[in-house]
Amino acid sequence: VQLAESGGGLVKPGGSLRLSCAASGFTFSDYYMSWIRQAPGKGLEWIAYISATGSYTNYADSVKGRFTISRDNAKNSLYLQMNSLRPEDTAVYFCAKELIPLFLGFDFWGQGTLATVSS
Amino acid sequence: QSVLTQPPSVSGTPGQNVTISCSGSRSNVGTNTVSWYQQFPGTAPKLLMYRNGQRPSGVPDRFSGSKSGTSASLAISGLQSEDEANYYCASWDDSLNGRWVFGGGTTLTVL
Repeated sequence: VQLAESGGGLVKPGGSLRLSCAASGFTFSDYYMSWIRQAPGKGLEWIAYISATGSYTNYADSVKGRFTISRDNAKNSLYLQMNSLRPEDTAVYFCAKELIPLFLGFDFWGQGTLATVSS
Repeated sequence: QSVLTQPPSVSGTPGQNVTISCSGSRSNVGTNTVSWYQQFPGTAPKLLMYRNGQRPSGVPDRFSGSKSGTSASLAISGLQSEDEANYYCASWDDSLNGRWVFGGGTTLTVL
């Protein structure tokens, strides 16, 4: 199993970024996926999940209305569109694969991609 | 402010046993299972325990987990220097249309 994030970088407040997560080594379309972030020197914060088919999503209050999670099962890829970015969104963003049955935890994580929001 | 409460730090000497606690509420730990993650600085978290006390393959049996009511704990027996890391608990929370919640993390120092 491999998860590889990309798309991070430096962006000004109010700007946008689109993160990608390329999955391999498992049947991507069978699994729920999440984005989880970690601000510098801080703990883990779950921010969004998407169901296996993409039909269901939910977001943490801190990003609701600004971020959109999506997936393309044909391309084995997960995405996070981040709009109206704020300095407090500066973090390493991890994609993570959820266990089956659901709600047991995350068994594989990507290496993370750093998004920095600063003027 | 994290939804799940962990002590910021614990410490022990090699060979000792240590425990890290994780306190939640009825909508998360009280209803759903707890998972634990180990993270070394600059690396991704690694699943250490799921379903409260099940170890993924490759995790030493020095690590054990348990849950009672709205609290869970991770126990490490026979502490080794390579156990020095940050540890996080997590649980599914049934509130707000369903979400994952994490503890604030515990830094384990091996003296």
